[in-house]
Amino acid sequence: DAGVIQSPRHEVTEMGQEVTLRCKPISGHDYLFWYRQTMMRGLELLIYFNNNVPIDDSGMPEDRFSAKMPNASFSTLKIQPSEPRDSAVYFCASSVQGPDNSPLHFGNGTRLTVT
Amino acid sequence: GENVEQHPSTLSVQEGDSAVIKCTYSDSASNYFPWYKQELGKRPQLIIDIRSNVGEKKDQRIAVTLNKTAKHFSLHITETQPEDSAVYFCAAITTGSARQLTFGSGTQLTVLP
Repeated sequence: DAGVIQSPRHEVTEMGQEVTLRCKPISGHDYLFWYRQTMMRGLELLIYFNNNVPIDDSGMPEDRFSAKMPNASFSTLKIQPSEPRDSAVYFCASSVQGPDNSPLHFGNGTRLTVT
Repeated sequence: GENVEQHPSTLSVQEGDSAVIKCTYSDSASNYFPWYKQELGKRPQLIIDIRSNVGEKKDQRIAVTLNKTAKHFSLHITETQPEDSAVYFCAAITTGSARQLTFGSGTQLTVLP
């Protein structure tokens, strides 16, 4: 089991550029979550999917953020256009069942820096 | 929605001493409370969890207690070791149509040798 795989590990981009973060969940996990971590706001849930369907996107900051899960083994989080305040560590996590029935398995995160 | 408050934000203890981290939550219907440990530069990992039908759960040096009436739960680490140094996050499950975990703000625990 390779765990949740995220890419890239680090991303440095200029303000206004498009950024795409990628995630491969653990095989067999039906739930996928995108979290953002900053010093000021801690761990915030952005969006989560169940069986590839978005369930709750109320945490997505604004229209500049979008997430997709075209199949059970792949998800993307896109920011367009990026802004300096988007700088954070973005974690993808997956779980077998819902968040109250099984633990979240986090990936190693993508550290995004927008200059 | 759920509001989870965590205290203290930083905690330093001598090796061998105990550490206690406390959290409160707002949603009285919450029924699942996990704790995650995040070492520097690493990902959060579940270390223990508790459900609302029990008041305490232990796993070796780690224990979690839950007081549903007061809506607070605590993490207890005994005989602390340097490798316990990390950021610890509590969380509570929100209720409603879209159940999700809300995390506390984290506690930086430093175990001094």
